[in-house]
Amino acid sequence: DTQMTQSPSSLSASVGDRVTITCQASEGVSNYINWYQQQPGKAPKLLIYDASNLETGVPSRFSGSGSGTHFTFTINNLQPEDFATYYCQQYDPLPPRFGQGTRVDLK
Amino acid sequence: EVQLLESGGGLIQPGGSLRLSCAASGFTFRSYAVHWVRQAPGKGLEWVSGISGSGGTTFYAGSVADRFTISRDNSKNTLFLQLNSLRADDTAVYFCSRSRQGWELRSPLDYWGQGTLVTVSS
Repeated sequence: DTQMTQSPSSLSASVGDRVTITCQASEGVSNYINWYQQQPGKAPKLLIYDASNLETGVPSRFSGSGSGTHFTFTINNLQPEDFATYYCQQYDPLPPRFGQGTRVDLK
Repeated sequence: EVQLLESGGGLIQPGGSLRLSCAASGFTFRSYAVHWVRQAPGKGLEWVSGISGSGGTTFYAGSVADRFTISRDNSKNTLFLQLNSLRADDTAVYFCSRSRQGWELRSPLDYWGQGTLVTVSS
């Protein structure tokens, strides 16, 4: 199975900051990487699919890049509603695998 | 509006069985692969199982492959997960979710239910 190593596991930031999270795949996964946001007690929400595509309705301050084994997720101009946990996920090959998650909290 | 609504969770003793359901609405259910993803208390997300739109193709995580069975009833727009031989480490919120790319199992997950809690404890 493909393993996903996400870092950091947590970070503290302020409103207006730029935040970057990385995800490393144990083998090449092309661009089959997604990024999700999860608020406490809620279901995950798809933000970015196929490494760099913004899901419909998601603000443009969220972005993603990368291919192969190294991927990056960025939030520009962090907003109060962005404090949450973020997960990367590879979906090809099966089984899909999530990264360990990155908790973004208020500095 | 796409909606997924899980039910069937609860407290169950180790070794017991449980059947989870996920009622879907707002889209053509038979045209989409659907999945179960779980989250243990305070932990990350773990994909559990997926099933194609027709139900003819299923896939499981190694940790559940010999104990859980995924199925669907397209006439009732409902997804199921049969959980057998439950263990304490199966305790989690179980979410159902939909493949963004229609029938394809290999897909981002674009809609999620609110989850149902399964607690395995004596």
